[in-house]
Formats: sequence, C-alpha cells, structure tokens
Amino acid sequence: GAGVSQSPSNKVTEKGKDVELRCDPISGHTALYWYRQSLGQGLEFLIYFQGNSAPDKSGLPSDRFSAERTGGSVSTLTIQRTQQEDSAVYLCASSLELLVGEQYFGPGTRLTVT
Amino acid sequence: GDSVTQMEGPVTLSEEAFLTINCTYTATGYPSLFWYVQYPGEGLQLLLKATKADDKGSNKGFEATYRKETTSFHLEKGSVQVSDSAVYFCAQHGSSNTGKLIFGQGTTLQVKP
Repeated sequence: GAGVSQSPSNKVTEKGKDVELRCDPISGHTALYWYRQSLGQGLEFLIYFQGNSAPDKSGLPSDRFSAERTGGSVSTLTIQRTQQEDSAVYLCASSLELLVGEQYFGPGTRLTVT
Repeated sequence: GDSVTQMEGPVTLSEEAFLTINCTYTATGYPSLFWYVQYPGEGLQLLLKATKADDKGSNKGFEATYRKETTSFHLEKGSVQVSDSAVYFCAQHGSSNTGKLIFGQGTTLQVKP
C-alpha cells in the first residue's frame, strides 16, 4: 500500500511569509509525528497526534509553529512569519497506534527560507 | 533527560570490512531502541529494533544487542557492501510515553569498493 506522503517536496519562501506543509499518513494509522532535520540540530521531535488530538505542543520551536490534524488523517504543519533558522527538512511519520508498531517516515519537505 | 549519543563520522571502510557504530543512551526507564538508515536521496527507514534488555535486533546482516548494563546498542555488520553507504541513526523511545523518537546525531558510512 501507499506509504507516508508529504507535500510539497521542496519549498522556497521569503523571510516573513507563512508556509503550510502537508502530511498524508498511512491509511489506518492513528498516530502521526512531525520531526525536523537540520544540519545544526540533527533530528528533533516537534509534535505528535493521537487521532486528531495533540496533547503536548512543547516540542514546537516557537509560537510561530502550529499543527493540526483532521479526520484522523491528513496533518498540516504551519509556520508563520518564517525565519532563516526555520530552513530544514520537515519529516512526518505515522504508526498504527501510539507506541505500537514501527514509525514509517515520509520523504520530507525541504524548506528554504531566503 | 533522555538522550542518545553515537559515534561521530564519517566512517570510511573498504568493502567486506567489519562495521561497528557505537551508540549509548540515557533514559529514566528501559526504552525501546532503534537503528534507522537514510540512504542517499531517500527517507528514513527502520533497520532494526530491540524492545527489552538482551534483545538482539537484526536485519540485512546488521545486528545490535540491547545492553542494559552499559546502556548501549552498538550496530555491527560482519561484511559491509558499497550499497550499505548511508547515514545511520540510533534512536530511543523517550520515557514520556508519547511515542516520540529521540535520535542520535547520525553517522555517515561510506564503503569503498
């Protein structure tokens, strides 16, 4: 079956603009995770969803970052007023349930803020 | 807090050489441990995992044993191939029961023919 998909694959934006990153998890996976991969910080966890609920948002780097999930499926990570330090690859993963089963990762969205 | 430390790379080996990539962790409990691999131009893939002490995870000739006494999960392969060239990440489930993975910094492996 289809894996985790993310769009766009690449996004170049000007500093100060808002961006939306989309993740389509594997069908039937109730848990969804966002990570960020950057040269300076490695792979860092941002937020997780169990169903449509995100119980802990403390991993988001600043209040310019927000995320939502609807219908227990698609998730959107929004970055407002982008800064150059937001440049990174944003990865989405899903698993059957929280703490159950492997986390399957999508190909990522490479965000470049100019 | 929970963390993962893995040896810095890059690691350069000749084909058929023995590979070890060291990984140690700190955690308040006994987390599940993972090795992920990222091949050039591809996404992260789970390579192997172990969920409790003394478990050995294995896949594609790679092995790692969960050592509680040394808080380690070293990755080994007896004979590497050029196709094993990739970035390898050690990871643990944090103790927060959120399912979040805590990753090491990654080790780049380059295998030369």
